[in-house]
Amino acid sequence: EAQVTQNPRYLITVTGKKLTVTCSQNMNHEYMSWYRQDPGLGLRQIYYSMNVEVTDKGDVPEGYKVSRKEKRNFPLILESPSPNQTSLYFCASSFLAFNEQFFGPGTRLTVL
Amino acid sequence: AQSVAQPEDQVNVAEGNPLTVKCTYSVSGNPYLFWYVQYPNRGLQFLLKYITGDNLVKGSYGFEAEFNKSQTSFHLKKPSALVSDSALYFCAVRNTQDDKIIFGKGTRLHILP
Repeated sequence: EAQVTQNPRYLITVTGKKLTVTCSQNMNHEYMSWYRQDPGLGLRQIYYSMNVEVTDKGDVPEGYKVSRKEKRNFPLILESPSPNQTSLYFCASSFLAFNEQFFGPGTRLTVL
Repeated sequence: AQSVAQPEDQVNVAEGNPLTVKCTYSVSGNPYLFWYVQYPNRGLQFLLKYITGDNLVKGSYGFEAEFNKSQTSFHLKKPSALVSDSALYFCAVRNTQDDKIIFGKGTRLHILP
């Protein structure tokens, strides 16, 4: 089954404790992206990647890192999480940037 | 800078009536436009897109959208609403000059039985 998977689905952590949210797709997509969804703000793009080893900042990259060492994986790293990073995070992938995106189920992160 | 506006936080429509969810955009190049839907506690699902060609685009679940270049709009429409259409709808745009994708803030659609 074609899908985008994210782990963990739920995470509660404390300020400053490094964490990684994994994202994997099995559709051989070139384009992958991370978004955060906050009430009243919609989805905002954090980082995106056009291909392996190619990543670029979206609109809200501060406090986040990504890597794209393999085509299928695009982990999101929070080196020192803060409470303002409490949010619902979505990973998405598509063949290219102008194709429709497939979204993962989301990761709800709470930073205390 | 590119942007997307969904001017209505919420739209209420009676079942069986036509519905419209509005979206306007601002990009510096030619736009690629998308509509996505989010059901409660779910990820987003693709509905339809405009890349080029016919201004009226048909998509999933009976939805369609009309691209209007002069008004920079891409409104989502459906001739007859169903209660099951109740969800959160997002408009998104990508311009041809970079690979960023910008989403609107979303419009919650309530279909009243």
